[in-house]
Amino acid sequence: DAGVIQSPRHEVTEMGQEVTLRCKPISGHNSLFWYRQTMMRGLELLIYFNNNVPIDDSGMPEDRFSAKMPNASFSTLKIQPSEPRDSAVYFCASSLGGHTFGNTIYFGEGSWLTVV
Amino acid sequence: EDQVTQSPEALRLQEGESSSLNCSYTVSGLRGLFWYRQDPGKGPEFLFTLYSAGEEKEKERLKATLTKKESFLHITAPKPEDSATYLCAVRADRGSTLGRLYFGRGTQLTVWP
Repeated sequence: DAGVIQSPRHEVTEMGQEVTLRCKPISGHNSLFWYRQTMMRGLELLIYFNNNVPIDDSGMPEDRFSAKMPNASFSTLKIQPSEPRDSAVYFCASSLGGHTFGNTIYFGEGSWLTVV
Repeated sequence: EDQVTQSPEALRLQEGESSSLNCSYTVSGLRGLFWYRQDPGKGPEFLFTLYSAGEEKEKERLKATLTKKESFLHITAPKPEDSATYLCAVRADRGSTLGRLYFGRGTQLTVWP
């Protein structure tokens, strides 16, 4: 069974460019999460969707970040314009039922972003 | 503010040398404590969920336990393939429908032959 699929796996871009990260959650899961991992801050939740609707975006660092989930099998995280401090590993994760009691979150392999 | 602290930050063990990793938390209204394993260049891989103090779960050489303030991940007779970063995360209810998941910084475990 396929897990959470993310693309691209690696991206190097210049400061000011737009970056789009993509995610396909596990089939049947109705909750999707975007996390960011850095050495300084560890894993941080950016945004959480339930049934394609954004539930909590309080972790989105600023207006340069936006996320969409047009359907149950696809989500994007966009950074425009990108800055060097956005360099990190971005993980997409999904679960059945979201952050509610007992639901396990499954992670993708991550998208490694470097902004130069 | 809710906090999840893992210790030690790094741990080196010889193959077969048992030890424990610690995860202490100060969240209110704990609704689950999760252990994940993360290999270099990979996403976190789910290991265990614990819900209440006194609960224990085992998987191969790993055993996770939970008290009211902390969780331990015991590693018995580790092998080199157990080398990874182990992440602890907690979910707390705050009276809303969403309980945010807070991750610790992880313990980087290296097991040498």
